[in-house]
Amino acid sequence: EIVMTQSPATLSVSPGERATLSCRASQSVSSNLAWYQQKPGQAPRLLIYYASTRATGFPARFSGSGSGTEFTLTISSLQSEDFAIYYCQQYNNWPRTFGQGTKVEIK
Amino acid sequence: EVQLLESGGGLGQPGGSLRLSCAASGFIFSTYAMSWVRQAPGKGLEWVSVISGSGDSTYYADSGKGRFTISRDNSKNTLDLQMNSLRAEDTAVYYCAKIGGGSSWISSPFDYWGQGTLVTVSS
Repeated sequence: EIVMTQSPATLSVSPGERATLSCRASQSVSSNLAWYQQKPGQAPRLLIYYASTRATGFPARFSGSGSGTEFTLTISSLQSEDFAIYYCQQYNNWPRTFGQGTKVEIK
Repeated sequence: EVQLLESGGGLGQPGGSLRLSCAASGFIFSTYAMSWVRQAPGKGLEWVSVISGSGDSTYYADSGKGRFTISRDNSKNTLDLQMNSLRAEDTAVYYCAKIGGGSSWISSPFDYWGQGTLVTVSS
């Protein structure tokens, strides 16, 4: 099983600042890496897929990068609606596995 | 508009059974693989099972292997998860998720999610 490790667990950021979230895979997942955004009481929502392709409905301030085992999600200028938990997930191997999540909170 | 509506959650007894369903609309259901993902209270996401669009391929997480069965009815646009031999650790919100990519589902993410149904296993 591929273990996905996200850091940090919690990120405290002021509105307008940049946020950088990391995700590491225990073995290569190529570019088969997705990021999901989850707000309290809501289902997760696909944010980024194939490591760097932004899903429909998300603005350009969200960007993803990386391949192999190291991935990054960057939010260039945090808006109030971006405070949420972000999960990375690999879809290169079975079982599909998620990171434990990074909570982005208001500083 | 893609819509996924789960049902069937509730209180289950340890060792008992529950059957979850997901009604899909807004896309050609038979073309897409579907999956179940769960989230224990206050915890992260855990993939449970997947079924191909035709229903001829299925995969399970070890946590549900031998206890859970995923199935679909493409004539009714429904996805099911039969959960047997329930354990306390099965307590979670269960999400139905559509997999993107059509025939390339093997390497595609979960592109749409339902709102989830809560399963509580307790005596």
